[in-house]
Amino acid sequence: GDSVTQMEGPVTLSEEAFLTINCTYTATGYPSLFWYVQYPGEGLQLLLKATKADDKGSNKGFEATYRKETTSFHLEKGSVQVSDSAVYFCALGRAGTALIFGKGTTLSVSS
Amino acid sequence: EAGVTQFPSHSVIEKGQTVTLRCDPISGHDNLYWYRRVMGKEIKFLLHFVKESKQDESGMPNNRFLAERTGGTYSTLKVQPAELEDSGVYFCASSQAGVSHYEQYFGPGTRLTVT
Repeated sequence: GDSVTQMEGPVTLSEEAFLTINCTYTATGYPSLFWYVQYPGEGLQLLLKATKADDKGSNKGFEATYRKETTSFHLEKGSVQVSDSAVYFCALGRAGTALIFGKGTTLSVSS
Repeated sequence: EAGVTQFPSHSVIEKGQTVTLRCDPISGHDNLYWYRRVMGKEIKFLLHFVKESKQDESGMPNNRFLAERTGGTYSTLKVQPAELEDSGVYFCASSQAGVSHYEQYFGPGTRLTVT
């Protein structure tokens, strides 16, 4: 069945550092891919998405590209801020079914 | 427009007691999902409603869990009797019907602690 694997955390960075959180998936066909973020004390928010191969999702300076050849959807940001400290979840979805999530990666950014 | 709301935000109960979680989806969203995250693990699917009907309940862990969605609006998830392993954060999400219905909007979650 479908599955998502994320890099283990926590990830600790200094402000303005470059961020990469790895995400790979196993799936048949062409699912949609998502990154969700959970800020402290809040619910899950959709950060970005990509619905087909080679699509790049972007939002708030974060980017991820749907790579079918490597079955990956790595999250990147060129310069992180303290306010980016949160838990990030990679997820896979298909029409009519529930999302499948990775374990989540906790990011802590210090000033 | 109001987002997905969940009540309570936190519940602490003893093993063997009953707890009922509530979710109010975004108005007009036919799809409603329940998920659970046990400490440090994946967010896992529990069940999916389309309006008032259960579309998929394959993720429900056992018959101690009962979900309902009255009139296709809010939903409740009852755990009876609660066990220690039921502790975790329960998320509710909703989405519209149609081509973009995989884009789900999540509530803040209910943190359940069973002691």
